[in-house]
Amino acid sequence: DIQMTQSPSTLSASVGDRVTITCRASQSINIWLAWYQQKPGKAPKLLISKASSLESGVPSRFSGSGSGTEFTLTISSLQPDDFATYYCQQYNSYSKTFGQGTKLEIK
Amino acid sequence: QVQLVESGGDVVQPGGSLRLSCAASGFTFSGYGMHWVRQAPGKGLEWVVFIRYDGSDKYYADSVKGRFNISRDNSNNTLSLQMNSLRAEDTAVYFCAKEGSSRQPFDFWGQGTLVTVSS
Repeated sequence: DIQMTQSPSTLSASVGDRVTITCRASQSINIWLAWYQQKPGKAPKLLISKASSLESGVPSRFSGSGSGTEFTLTISSLQPDDFATYYCQQYNSYSKTFGQGTKLEIK
Repeated sequence: QVQLVESGGDVVQPGGSLRLSCAASGFTFSGYGMHWVRQAPGKGLEWVVFIRYDGSDKYYADSVKGRFNISRDNSNNTLSLQMNSLRAEDTAVYFCAKEGSSRQPFDFWGQGTLVTVSS
């Protein structure tokens, strides 16, 4: 199975900061990488698919990049609503593995 | 609008069985692959199982293979997960999730149902 490793596990930042989360795959997944946002007690929400395609309705301050085995999610200017946990997911294979998550906390 | 509503979560003893359901509406259920994803308390997301739009293929995580069985009823827009030989480590919120079209990830999720395995 393809393993997904996110870093950091926790990120402390302030409103207005630019933050980047990294996701690495144990083997090449081309561009088949998604990013989700999850808030406590809620289902995950799809933000980005195909590594860099922003879903409809997602603010443009979110962006994704990468291919192969290294990917990043960047939030250009943090807003209060962005403090949540973020997960990457590969969907290159039938087993759609997730990264372990990055909790974005208010500094 | 797309809705996925899970049900069936409960407290069950180790070794017991439970059947979860996911009622789908707002889209052509028979046209999309479906998944179950779980989240243990305070932990991350774990993909559990996939079923193709017509039920012809199923893929399971190693952690549940041989114990869980996914099925779907396209005439009643319902996804099911039969869970047998339950273990404490199966305790989690179970989400059903819809695959997007044309090789897309999970574009809609249910609210989840809690399964607790405890004596």
